[in-house]
Amino acid sequence: ETGVTQTPRHLVMGMTNKKSLKCEQHLGHNAMYWYKQSAKKPLELMFVYNFKEQTENNSVPSRFSPECPNSSHLFLHLHTLQPEDSALYLCASRMNTGELFFGEGSRLTVL
Amino acid sequence: TQLLEQSPQFLSIQEGENLTVYCNSSSVFSSLQWYRQEPGEGPVLLVTVVTGGEVKKLKRLTFQFGDARKDSSLHITAAQTGDTGLYLCAGVTGTASKLTFGTGTRLQVTL
Repeated sequence: ETGVTQTPRHLVMGMTNKKSLKCEQHLGHNAMYWYKQSAKKPLELMFVYNFKEQTENNSVPSRFSPECPNSSHLFLHLHTLQPEDSALYLCASRMNTGELFFGEGSRLTVL
Repeated sequence: TQLLEQSPQFLSIQEGENLTVYCNSSSVFSSLQWYRQEPGEGPVLLVTVVTGGEVKKLKRLTFQFGDARKDSSLHITAAQTGDTGLYLCAGVTGTASKLTFGTGTRLQVTL
């Protein structure tokens, strides 16, 4: 039990599909993050939410659309993705001391 | 853009050997975190170092923050197969939400 739960763990989608990734935390943290992890690249920050408000968008293409309905839930809506978007998408929540608590990730494959 | 370079990129050693992983940057960080990521899982926080020159020990793992707070090292004594994984350093600047992840060191420990 990591405290941060991501679903689905694996997702295969075509370029014309619309799907969503879900992240849930019940750690009482007020900040949540989406990261992208590709092979041979450092972790890439995508979005940051603090108290449900988006505070960072790291120049992410509009085909990725985040949603944070409350401090415990974070979604990443996906549409018209490209094969190069295939990666491990990691959600994290942030402790008050600044450290991140990660979920196990959603492995996305775009065909 | 801040960059955190880790070296080596890959390391394959036998159980019982010692190793050191380096995390270097030209930027100054207010603190630095180390994470370990095992296959199929998200990164897990190992330690945070805050003060220049600080040394922290976690069983067989020794973490050091450089005097100028631009670099850090992780030394593992008598490596075990359970140490296998991807080691990531992450530097914090400004607000706690600004984390820059390193390029990662993939460690394989065999019997």
